[in-house]
Amino acid sequence: EAQVTQNPRYLITVTGKKLTVTCSQNMNHEYMSWYRQDPGLGLRQIYYSMNVEVTDKGDVPEGYKVSRKEKRNFPLILESPSPNQTSLYFCASRLAGSVLYEQYFGPGTRLTVT
Amino acid sequence: KNQVEQSPQSLIILEGKNCTLQCNYTVSPFSNLRWYKQDTGRGPVSLTIMTFSENTKSNGRYTATLDADTKQSSLHITASQLSDSASYICVGGADGLTFGKGTHLIIQP
Repeated sequence: EAQVTQNPRYLITVTGKKLTVTCSQNMNHEYMSWYRQDPGLGLRQIYYSMNVEVTDKGDVPEGYKVSRKEKRNFPLILESPSPNQTSLYFCASRLAGSVLYEQYFGPGTRLTVT
Repeated sequence: KNQVEQSPQSLIILEGKNCTLQCNYTVSPFSNLRWYKQDTGRGPVSLTIMTFSENTKSNGRYTATLDADTKQSSLHITASQLSDSASYICVGGADGLTFGKGTHLIIQP
């Protein structure tokens, strides 16, 4: 089944404790991205990657890191999480080459930083 | 600043009724307009994708329209079902996408 998977689905952590949220897709998509969704706000892009070893900042990159060493994986790293990073996070992927390709979202990771 | 405004914020209708959700966008560059359905606690799922040259696109009981002149789009749901209860998100842009805050739709039996 074609899908985007994220782990963990739920995470409660404390301020300053480094964490990684994994994202993997099995559709051979070049383009992957991370979003956060907060109440009363639309989804906002954190980082995106056009292909392996190519990453770029989205609209709200502060406090986050990403890496793209393999085509299928795009982990999101919070080196020193803070309470304002409490949010619902989505990974997404699509084919590159056209902005009209459908984007597939993962199931989400709900992160709470205390 | 790119913006996508959706109305209403929330809507409650009876099962079997039709409804229309609205979207106004100010996005540049603009090449496509998307509608997503997001069930509570799940990731968004694509309903329609329209280019600026398209006026309408259907996906089952969902029909999206686009007026590129007035920068407005609508999503019409026909013969609503309980499973249509969800948030509907309008998205505009080109390579970069601007997401609206969504319309929360509740279908009552």
